[in-house]
Amino acid sequence: NAGVTQTPKFQVLKTGQSMTLQCAQDMNHEYMSWYRQDPGMGLRLIHYSVGAGITDQGEVPNGYNVSRSTTEDFPLRLLSAAPSQTSVYFCASSSLGQPQETQYFGPGTRLLVL
Amino acid sequence: GQQVMQIPQYQHVQEGEDFTTYCNSSTTLSNIQWYKQRPGGHPVFLIQLVKSGEVKKQKRLTFQFGEAKKNSSLHITATQTTDVGTYFCAGNNNDMRFGAGTRLTVKP
Repeated sequence: NAGVTQTPKFQVLKTGQSMTLQCAQDMNHEYMSWYRQDPGMGLRLIHYSVGAGITDQGEVPNGYNVSRSTTEDFPLRLLSAAPSQTSVYFCASSSLGQPQETQYFGPGTRLLVL
Repeated sequence: GQQVMQIPQYQHVQEGEDFTTYCNSSTTLSNIQWYKQRPGGHPVFLIQLVKSGEVKKQKRLTFQFGEAKKNSSLHITATQTTDVGTYFCAGNNNDMRFGAGTRLTVKP
């Protein structure tokens, strides 16, 4: 199993540009989530999904959209990038449709917005 | 809303010394998880605590969950250079909230 994969690893955007961060898992996990990590602030939950067709907002959802058309994929879309969205983004997945089981994290996407 | 506070923010120890990080939640948690993140890496799950007063050990690591299920601690005995990294707690009460982490550096 590849586990949780994320693409791209690095990305530089200009303010106002849009892009999609890709996340995929091959463990048949129901629960998937997106976090952003900023220095000194730990990981903050952006959006999460408990199964295909179901998504919900986390702690910091503004400026981001998600969709879950399949169990495997959970893309994160930045509609109009802003410098405040410069961060490291991690996707995670876990089983049982809850975050209470072990969360497996992807390697992360480092995003710089100029 | 739920907040998870973690202290200290940084800890520098001499190899062989002990290390402890503390996690406190503003609300009662259904469970708490601990993660380790090496520099440049991603968080890796260490353990989950569910029961009030629970204590779990993994070799030199000891994890505790408070009686009120609002606080937790991670203690490392006799640190090694391989323990370097940032340790995060994550409290679960409807959604997962991470502490800011404790960054551990170990001097050989």
